[in-house]
Amino acid sequence: RKEVEQDPGPFNVPEGATVAFNCTYSNSASQSFFWYRQDCRKEPKLLMSVYSSGNEDGRFTAQLNRASQYISLLIRDSKLSDSATYLCVVNFNQAGTALIFGKGTTLSVSS
Amino acid sequence: DAGITQSPRHKVTETGTPVTLRCHQTENHRYMYWYRQDPGHGLRLIHYSYGVKDTDKGEVSDGYSVSRSKTEDFLLTLESATSSQTSVYFCAISESVNGGSGNTIYFGEGSWLTVV
Repeated sequence: RKEVEQDPGPFNVPEGATVAFNCTYSNSASQSFFWYRQDCRKEPKLLMSVYSSGNEDGRFTAQLNRASQYISLLIRDSKLSDSATYLCVVNFNQAGTALIFGKGTTLSVSS
Repeated sequence: DAGITQSPRHKVTETGTPVTLRCHQTENHRYMYWYRQDPGHGLRLIHYSYGVKDTDKGEVSDGYSVSRSKTEDFLLTLESATSSQTSVYFCAISESVNGGSGNTIYFGEGSWLTVV
């Protein structure tokens, strides 16, 4: 069975903190990887893709470790607006028909 | 934002009644999907479509059927709603596969269905 596991949290951090989420996946043949953000009662939205070489987008850094089958998301200088649930998503084929979603990690940033 | 519209956005229905949720896209994307999201579960794929009249089952397809008669519309039907189908339903779309790269999926705003 293909699975994606995330620590559900919640992670409660103060503004300005650095926080990291990890996600493990079960299938070594996985094709591509993503982090999605979901606000309460809203649809998931793509935060960033995760590339083998690692990638950064402003305060967000994503990394992939294929050997250990995990991906990570690092958020620096947390803002109140970062409060959301972060979904780890793994694509097991290129057609997008085998996307497996983690259950999400909840982040709460407080002032 | 991706041009995806779901209707209805909220619905309360009685057990045993048929329900149809509609997803309409303006992006001309080939792939369309229906997911459900429940507490304690990740998003789970119900059905998907890879073109007009081309559909297939996902992980949790029992009790659901779909139709896609036009590129822009993907309908999800619960033939006889049950309480276990109370959920949030998300439609999603994605572009054609782009040679080896990931296939980003964009979601609609969701349809909240309560079966009483």
